[in-house]
Amino acid sequence: QVQLVESGGGLVKPGGSLRLSCAASGFTFSDYYMSWIRQAPGKGLEWVSYISSSGSTIYYADSVKGRFTISRDNAKNSLYLQMNSLRAEDTAVYYCAREPQQLTAFDIWGQGTMVTVSS
Amino acid sequence: SYELTQPPSVSVSPGQTARITCSGDALPKQYAYWYQQKPGQAPVLVIYKDSERPSGIPERFSGSSSGTTVTLTISGVQAEDEADYYCQSADSSGTRVFGGGTKLTVL
Repeated sequence: QVQLVESGGGLVKPGGSLRLSCAASGFTFSDYYMSWIRQAPGKGLEWVSYISSSGSTIYYADSVKGRFTISRDNAKNSLYLQMNSLRAEDTAVYYCAREPQQLTAFDIWGQGTMVTVSS
Repeated sequence: SYELTQPPSVSVSPGQTARITCSGDALPKQYAYWYQQKPGQAPVLVIYKDSERPSGIPERFSGSSSGTTVTLTISGVQAEDEADYYCQSADSSGTRVFGGGTKLTVL
């Protein structure tokens, strides 16, 4: 079935780095745009970054611009988020989500991976 | 930056109609989407393109749009509808944005 599975979360010190991965299955990954969305504990959803199906177009939220890098490998059906210079306020559950090309919305979500930034 | 504004909470009795609003300056030009999130779970898309319902979403969920406000309506609310609801849209620069979320309580 259609599925997204995130991995790579964990505990990291402020200023540290982490790389999240999202493995896609059950659909033609290269046909879809993808995004990362996060949710701090007890807070609402925050869109983080978007990448087009080919990887040629990328957008970031202002809160992560210059620190996070989104990428994808269509041959491996995988999405990535490289997170550098992490701050306490980056602590959140990070979801990857699929965007059909005819929508600017997220029709399939992963289960999320927790990132905790703390000394 | 572009913002979407939702009420923090809405309460209704079972069988009644719940209406959750979302306001944003770009909504007349951009579609709105709605998500339901239950505790410990990932969000689920319940309305797309202002008023379309994905397959598998009950008919009691509907959406509408008027000017700078979109509304999610849940008719005949059931206990299982208790959840957080988020609106979402995009601006002309490609940035996706979520509303702050509304906690629906079924009394």
